Amino acid sequence: QVQLEQSGAEVKKPGASVKVSCKASGFTFTDYYMHWVRQAPGQGREWMGWINLHSGDTFIVQSFQGRVTMTRDTSISTAYLELRSLRSDDTAFYYCARDQTNIRGNWWDPWGQGTLVTVSS
Amino acid sequence: DIQMTQSPSSLSASVGDRVTITCRASRTTGTYLNWYQQKPGKAPKVLIFAASSLQSGVPSRFSGSGSGTDFTLTISSLQPEDSATYFCQQTSSSPPTFGQGTKVVIK
Repeated sequence: QVQLEQSGAEVKKPGASVKVSCKASGFTFTDYYMHWVRQAPGQGREWMGWINLHSGDTFIVQSFQGRVTMTRDTSISTAYLELRSLRSDDTAFYYCARDQTNIRGNWWDPWGQGTLVTVSS
Repeated sequence: DIQMTQSPSSLSASVGDRVTITCRASRTTGTYLNWYQQKPGKAPKVLIFAASSLQSGVPSRFSGSGSGTDFTLTISSLQPEDSATYFCQQTSSSPPTFGQGTKVVIK
């Protein structure tokens, strides 16, 4: 079964860092790109960037550059999102999602179940 | 960035009703438009990709149509298990952007 399993909820203080994991199963990990997106309470979904799971190359949205690192460990089919210098407005659900592309289009499937990161003093 | 305007933000309908959700893009996305379903605490699930292609395993009561800037998700006969939030996504140009979501409640 193709699925992505994310790590559990985190509570962090402002200024701290958090690392969210996304473990893949049921498919060849290195054949794909992985996206990260977040959704703050009452807000829309915000794309953070992608990682090429084969090469490790990343694209990070400008607003997150310098604070976000995307990595992967191919030996355990797991992708990671690290967010540093946390602020209260980083409180959100964070999702990983596998990129799917063919001649008809581009979509994301599957998604992880989401990891709630709460930033509070 | 392409802005995606989804409507309505919520709706209440009865089992068996035909339900329509719309998504309008601020500029053309061709057919690079996807629809997802999300239930509370669960992972989003793709229903329709490329505007009108039904994802494998998704019931045929779900359908998508449109191209360019105007798109529609239709549930032909609403079922109790369709209670969820539905959102659209454009992947025509970077950054990918999303509609705000439509919460579907069963009366």
